[in-house]
Amino acid sequence: EAGVTQFPSHSVIEKGQTVTLRCDPISGHDNLYWYRRVMGKEIKFLLHFVKESKQDESGMPNNRFLAERTGGTYSTLKVQPAELEDSGVYFCASSQVPWGRGYGYTFGSGTRLTVV
Amino acid sequence: GENVEQHPSTLSVQEGDSAVIKCTYSDSASNYFPWYKQELGKRPQLIIDIRSNVGEKKDQRIAVTLNKTAKHFSLHITETQPEDSAVYFCAASNSNSGYALNFGKGTSLLVTP
Repeated sequence: EAGVTQFPSHSVIEKGQTVTLRCDPISGHDNLYWYRRVMGKEIKFLLHFVKESKQDESGMPNNRFLAERTGGTYSTLKVQPAELEDSGVYFCASSQVPWGRGYGYTFGSGTRLTVV
Repeated sequence: GENVEQHPSTLSVQEGDSAVIKCTYSDSASNYFPWYKQELGKRPQLIIDIRSNVGEKKDQRIAVTLNKTAKHFSLHITETQPEDSAVYFCAASNSNSGYALNFGKGTSLLVTP
């Protein structure tokens, strides 16, 4: 089974530009999560999709961040315009509904975003 | 919201010794506590998890204990090996909130031969 795929793996953009990150979850996984780790800090929850619906977006830092999951398959996270403090590693994870043995999420390898 | 504290931030042990990482949480509604291992440049991988109806769980050299009353849980790694070197994250979540994970800041474990 293919894992959670994220791309790009790295992105370097200038402040004020726009970047779109993509996540392809494991096929059939209804739950899709976005997380972010800023340098030296904890991994922070951004939002949670169930299929195409936003279940919880309480972690989105501000309205410069827009997440979509059209059709309930892959998801995109757009940052527009990017600021220096947006630099970090953005992780996506997916899981099935309902959880069985509690084996939880499968994470992607992350996108390292650097805003200069 | 939930606040997860993790200690220590760095831990260095000799091969064969045990390593213990401790976490506390603040929200008594949290009922699922996974631990993730992240090697350099790789994705976080689930190594063990525990639900609030269980006090202890073991999987080979790895064990997790949970004290609901004190709101703390710990990861125990016995007979450590150099390949155990990685960053370990604890997390707490609530099934009623869709299992959004609240992570600790991570512990960088170094196992020296």
